[in-house]
Amino acid sequence: QSVLTQPPSVSGAPGQRVTISCTGSSSNIGAGYDVHWYQHLPGTAPKLLMYGDSNGPSGVPDRFSGSKSGTSASLAITGLQAEDEADYYCQSYDSSLSVVFGGGTKLTVL
Amino acid sequence: QVQLQESGPGLVKPSETLSLTCNVSGASISSGGYYWSWFRQHPAKGLEWIGYIYYSGSTYYNPSLESRLTISVDTSKNQFSLRLTSVTAADTAVYYCARDSDGTGYFFSIWGQGTLVTVS
Repeated sequence: QSVLTQPPSVSGAPGQRVTISCTGSSSNIGAGYDVHWYQHLPGTAPKLLMYGDSNGPSGVPDRFSGSKSGTSASLAITGLQAEDEADYYCQSYDSSLSVVFGGGTKLTVL
Repeated sequence: QVQLQESGPGLVKPSETLSLTCNVSGASISSGGYYWSWFRQHPAKGLEWIGYIYYSGSTYYNPSLESRLTISVDTSKNQFSLRLTSVTAADTAVYYCARDSDGTGYFFSIWGQGTLVTVS
């Protein structure tokens, strides 16, 4: 059972917009800790996609955006491309002094 | 360019100790300011934080693993290590080493490729 809750899967057609939600609690996201997002392809290293709620590292397309409100956060992907098909994880920090993750969301590009 | 590479046995027997090492290249652990971290991903499940060590040697562990876990650093070899005792099948996972991005320990931008450890 992951501390942060994500939908197991989302899907969209090429060119469409999809969002992935991440719900936490008052001890992590709601406590003001930032949310970060990773893109992960099986057999490869996870890639930092978004940090500090809404900042994209250099090299990440601006089709990816992040937001946070209250105890939840979202990752939005616009102009969906086949190469976006991957697992996406949200991550934050918890007052129990732990780095915490969501269970991951599998994005399928139809 | 900082690179991380995990190494260690791919098969560990139940009740024995799992030991992994992460070799760091492109940067010196002793130069300071970062958290050197371990994560794992169980088969068909999500990522889990195991713990990390600050360059100074301070350690921070996942409470669920703390009683079995030791993370250490060897600055002379520019590597850090994970030791997990009394393993069971539930410890079968891909193990990743990583470094945080900005010295806060809050998010991680540099990852190794991962190594599969099977407990059987």
